Amino acid sequence: GENVEQHPSTLSVQEGDSAVIKCTYSDSASNYFPWYKQELGKRPQLIIDIRSNVGEKKDQRIAVTLNKTAKHFSLHITETQPEDSAVYFCASSGGYNKLIFGAGTRLAVHP
Amino acid sequence: EAQVTQNPRYLITVTGKKLTVTCSQNMNHEYMSWYRQDPGLGLRQIYYSMNVEATDKGDVPEGYKVSRKEKRNFPLILESPSPNQTSLYFCASSTPGGPVSYNEQFFGPGTRLTVL
Repeated sequence: GENVEQHPSTLSVQEGDSAVIKCTYSDSASNYFPWYKQELGKRPQLIIDIRSNVGEKKDQRIAVTLNKTAKHFSLHITETQPEDSAVYFCASSGGYNKLIFGAGTRLAVHP
Repeated sequence: EAQVTQNPRYLITVTGKKLTVTCSQNMNHEYMSWYRQDPGLGLRQIYYSMNVEATDKGDVPEGYKVSRKEKRNFPLILESPSPNQTSLYFCASSTPGGPVSYNEQFFGPGTRLTVL
């Protein structure tokens, strides 16, 4: 079946460093790739997304890249801050709002 | 305020005792969905609904039922809960997507269920 693999499962960085989370999807028909941030005890919230006709998208300190040939997409956070500490989920969708989530990455940013 | 609400937020129950988790949204969304979140597994879809009286199985539907009699409500029913249904449950809603399109899903606050 369709699946999304996400790495690493945990990531620890110093404040100000960059963080990169990588995902690989299996369904070549996937065309939408959102990233969700979930703070402790909170609901997942969309932070950035990318569609299959775009290779890269930026929003301030976060960016997402997509390599459709390799079926890889990545989240890049620059100049990390303690408030970036959370669990991050990647997901893929081939339409009809169906989302397949990765297992999540717990990011810890240490002051 | 546009929102998705769930009740209860926390529930401890015993094996076999039927329970319902309610989900309601005030955004007039056609699409609603239930997910369960387990450590190391991410979020997995249980059931979804494209509109009133239109529900379908997601990836992990066993042991769950849903209904969609009104557009705003999408309750999740566990007829005979078992310990392996201990999990964090999220309801979500959105405008409908198409065959090659997707619209952002808005999540409820979550319901933490423990089945003893």
